[in-house]
Amino acid sequence: KAGVTQTPRYLIKTRGQQVTLSCSPISGHRSVSWYQQTPGQGLQFLFEYFSETQRNKGNFPGRFSGRQFSNSRSEMNVSTLELGDSALYLCASSLGPGQGNQPQHFGDGTRLSIL
Amino acid sequence: GEDVEQSLFLSVREGDSSVINCTYTDSSSTYLYWYKQEPGAGLQLLTYIFSNMDMKQDQRLTVLLNKKDKHLSLRIADTQTGDSAIYFCAEVPGGYQKVTFGIGTKLQVIP
Repeated sequence: KAGVTQTPRYLIKTRGQQVTLSCSPISGHRSVSWYQQTPGQGLQFLFEYFSETQRNKGNFPGRFSGRQFSNSRSEMNVSTLELGDSALYLCASSLGPGQGNQPQHFGDGTRLSIL
Repeated sequence: GEDVEQSLFLSVREGDSSVINCTYTDSSSTYLYWYKQEPGAGLQLLTYIFSNMDMKQDQRLTVLLNKKDKHLSLRIADTQTGDSAIYFCAEVPGGYQKVTFGIGTKLQVIP
């Protein structure tokens, strides 16, 4: 069974641009969560989607948005990029929300660098 | 609100046991997880424990849960250089809420 796939693996952008990151969950998983990982802040929760609906949102500005498609694939978008958006963006999938005995499985992330 | 705390760094000699500690605040936590992150990779689920358990053993890994003190630990027996990584503790609160991760403990194994 294929794991969580994130594309692209690496991305370089300049300030002011926008970017879209993609995540394909494990087959059968319907919940997708996104995290931002930076050395100083650790793992920061961005948002979670289940059945194409955003169920939970972290404390990030409106420049960060996401969506989920009917096949459970998810995308996140960051507009008007800032230097501080440079980070590893991780996607995790699980069977569904609230199922603690079905933990999240992570992709290898997209490394975003802003110049 | 929920909070998960871990020490930032641990150094051990190859062959010794490693113990990584974690404290959490949400008493309604139902599941607690340990993840491992190697350089350039995502988080790999190592093991998890349900809150009605005190201990769980899986090969070289032993998880201990003290629910009264809200303290979780991960013991790695016979630590190897391949165990060098960052280890994250995470909790799932009761009801449905988002998973909360600790900041991660960097384990350095000295040959």
